[in-house]
Amino acid sequence: DVELVESGGGLVQPGGSLTLSCATSGFAFTSFAMSWVRQAPGKGLEWVASIGFTAEDTHYADSVRGRFSISRGYLNTLYLRMDSLRADDTARYFCAKGARQTTLITFWGQGTLVAVSS
Amino acid sequence: EIVLTQSPGTLSLSPGERVTLSCRASQDVKSDYLAWYQHKPGQAPRLLIYSVSRRANGISDRFSGSGSGTAFTFSINSLEPEDFAVYYCHQYATSPYTFGQGTTLDIK
Repeated sequence: DVELVESGGGLVQPGGSLTLSCATSGFAFTSFAMSWVRQAPGKGLEWVASIGFTAEDTHYADSVRGRFSISRGYLNTLYLRMDSLRADDTARYFCAKGARQTTLITFWGQGTLVAVSS
Repeated sequence: EIVLTQSPGTLSLSPGERVTLSCRASQDVKSDYLAWYQHKPGQAPRLLIYSVSRRANGISDRFSGSGSGTAFTFSINSLEPEDFAVYYCHQYATSPYTFGQGTTLDIK
């Protein structure tokens, strides 16, 4: 069965950095697009970033471009490096598995909470 | 950026009723790359419909989608108690990929 387990969330000060991890299992990690999606408190879903089949094939929301970086690591792990964090980055961050040919999100993790506050 | 506008924002309905939700895009959604998700509090979202009208694996045929270009709809026949949730449309055709703001289905 597909499993996505996020970790690395927590409380960070404005301007700080955090790296989220997503441990995956149950599928061929390098054969599927992967994404991060977030949900701020009381708000809807917001797509954050996606990565395709090469390290260069990355896409970002305008709100995070230049501050966040998505990457694949060893042991079938997805990462989201977040720099220059702002209060409006406070959200639950979901790791999401894509489809083979598109970034269609077919499966989601439970998410990890990030709070940006002084 | 393709902006997706969902309507209505909230609907209060009773089990057994049929519901239709709307999602309008600010530009054409290419290749019909439009999906619908269900999201309940404290849970991971769940894919229901992709490519406008294709049901995801294991999804009941009570759920259906239609549309093209910039106008899309999502319907649920005969609402069950477990259907009351927030529903989002999502375009995965053009980066930056985007979600609608969501429609909340409440039990009347």
